[in-house]
Amino acid sequence: SQTIHQWPATLVQPVGSPLSLECTVEGTSNPNLYWYRQAAGRGLQLLFYSVGIGQISSEVPQNLSASRPQDRQFILSSKKLLLSDSGFYLCAWSDSTPNTEAFFGQGTRLTVV
Amino acid sequence: AQSVTQLGSHVSVSEGALVLLRCNYSSSVPPYLFWYVQYPNQGLQLLLKYTTGATLVKGINGFEAEFKKSETSFHLTKPSAHMSDAAEYFCAVRGRISGGYNKLIFGAGTRLAVHP
Repeated sequence: SQTIHQWPATLVQPVGSPLSLECTVEGTSNPNLYWYRQAAGRGLQLLFYSVGIGQISSEVPQNLSASRPQDRQFILSSKKLLLSDSGFYLCAWSDSTPNTEAFFGQGTRLTVV
Repeated sequence: AQSVTQLGSHVSVSEGALVLLRCNYSSSVPPYLFWYVQYPNQGLQLLLKYTTGATLVKGINGFEAEFKKSETSFHLTKPSAHMSDAAEYFCAVRGRISGGYNKLIFGAGTRLAVHP
């Protein structure tokens, strides 16, 4: 069966520090991968998605970047965190067919201080 | 472009009462629709989905939703609320867009409170 791992679960970082959140998927190949951010009361905002290794699409201009160095690995990064980067970050994967759902990791609570 | 609107950011019901969470979608292609539930500080869990076929879809935990194309709606219901249903609920739509990939577009969410 497929599983998705996301870590760390919580993170407190100072403003201006770098960020690296990692997500890996097991039990499937060539998944679509997604990073979402959830701010309080604002639903889920799609940040990045990837349909293959090295293929990253950004949904919104921001201070963050994403990379997909391996088929089932998706990394969210920042060189210098801002206060506004605080939030709950969720990684997800799905098949490429449209009638299948996305499966989510447990999320990372990032607090920038 | 696809979009989702969830009416009511907060809904409060009594234990044992009917739960109705509203979702309207916009899609230029046949939509695939999903309801997810999120408990505090956790990821999202799929409740149910509509792809094709029967328009009344049954999901986990006694929830169901009905796809109404004429109303562009996919409302979530449960006949009798339980305290454990208190959570945030998200409606989502997925449709093919140019480039051949599919994005899952979420509504803003509805927080359900259940009181004794």
